[in-house]
Amino acid sequence: EVQLVQSGAEVKKPGESLKISCKGSGYSFTTYWIGWVRQMPGKGLEWMGLIYPGDSDSTYSPSFQGQVTISADKSISTAYLQWSSLKASDTAMYYCARHNSGYYIDSWGQGTLVTVSS
Amino acid sequence: SYELTQPLSVSVALGQTARITCGGNNIGRKNVHWYQQKPGQAPVLVIYRDNNRPSGIPERFSGSNSGNTATLTISRAQDGDEADYYCQVWDSSTVAFGGGTKLTVL
Repeated sequence: EVQLVQSGAEVKKPGESLKISCKGSGYSFTTYWIGWVRQMPGKGLEWMGLIYPGDSDSTYSPSFQGQVTISADKSISTAYLQWSSLKASDTAMYYCARHNSGYYIDSWGQGTLVTVSS
Repeated sequence: SYELTQPLSVSVALGQTARITCGGNNIGRKNVHWYQQKPGQAPVLVIYRDNNRPSGIPERFSGSNSGNTATLTISRAQDGDEADYYCQVWDSSTVAFGGGTKLTVL
């Protein structure tokens, strides 16, 4: 069974850094793209970017390019999403998502709630 | 970036057929995928590549795509179908989501 298990909820202050994780299991982690999707409170889904763990090739949505960094450690089947300086507007639920070769998402993590507040 | 337009809300009577549209320029030339999201839960894929159902998704869910509009059709709507629905395409090396449609079952 394919599983994506994300790290727990975070509460941070503006300006702090953060790295959240997503561990894949039940499939070959290096052969599927893993992406991240943001959902702000009461809003829709926003695609942030994705990475191919096999060679760490990545692509970002223009809206998120330069705002976050997506990485992966294939030795432990884990993908990451990180911020160097959080803003209150980064408060949201973040989902990791396995992308099928047809570029649709066939498996989702449970979500990580990030709250940024002073 | 490629824009996908969905109605904010759709209502359907219990047992009737709901149709949720997703508009985009020549969307018929793209593969369209649909997700269902219930409150407090992660999204779930319900249709991929226009009209294919993943394992475990009821036959009541179907999709079509032509011209400038893709459509998710839910037959014999049930209370459990009440959720937000999102369409999605791949365009210019990025994923685009529609704004989402809230389906209410009356």
